[in-house]
Amino acid sequence: DTGVSQNPRHKITKRGQNVTFRCDPISEHNRLYWYRQTLGQGPEFLTYFQNEAQLEKSRLLSDRFSAERPKGSFSTLEIQRTEQGDSAMYLCASRAGSADTQYFGPGTRLTVL
Amino acid sequence: AQTVTQSQPEMSVQEAETVTLSCTYDTSESDYYLFWYKQPPSRQMILVIRQEAYKQQNATENRFSVNFQKAAKSFSLKISDSQLGDAAMYFCAYRSSRASGSRLTFGEGTQLTVNP
Repeated sequence: DTGVSQNPRHKITKRGQNVTFRCDPISEHNRLYWYRQTLGQGPEFLTYFQNEAQLEKSRLLSDRFSAERPKGSFSTLEIQRTEQGDSAMYLCASRAGSADTQYFGPGTRLTVL
Repeated sequence: AQTVTQSQPEMSVQEAETVTLSCTYDTSESDYYLFWYKQPPSRQMILVIRQEAYKQQNATENRFSVNFQKAAKSFSLKISDSQLGDAAMYFCAYRSSRASGSRLTFGEGTQLTVNP
């Protein structure tokens, strides 16, 4: 069990650029989640996949955000035309279908200049 | 919508002492899960303890235990024999048991400091 991994760990970009993050869940976990965490706050839900199907999206996920999980394994989160307000930690979590606990990755810290 | 409230932004405890972190939540559901997660300065979220709402018995994991009061919608975390490594941000989280309600809803967090 190698845990949930996320890449890159840090990303600095200029406003208006596009960025993409990757999440590799625990291998047998078919459910994958994305959360966003701003400094001093609890994580906020963005979106959820069961296998390759995106089943739930938060209203926080504006049309500049898109997430995919093409083969039901790793997932990508893309932010287009980044804004300074997008600066945050983006967390990925995974869960086995029969379990109730989500396991989190180390996160990707995004800084938009 | 469910909400989770942690009313203590910061707490401190002396090493080897006991501390209790508070959490309240609001829901109209009768079946759900509650969690405490720990986020050390390295920022990876780690599960501390979990509780199923249908179980009356309070969950315990070594030095960590909860006081689950379903009627009061309260879910506090007790840390006994506090250690320096317990210093972290602690988040209380709620998850519906419905198949479609898979997301976690987090509180604002409590920053715990452990003094030597």
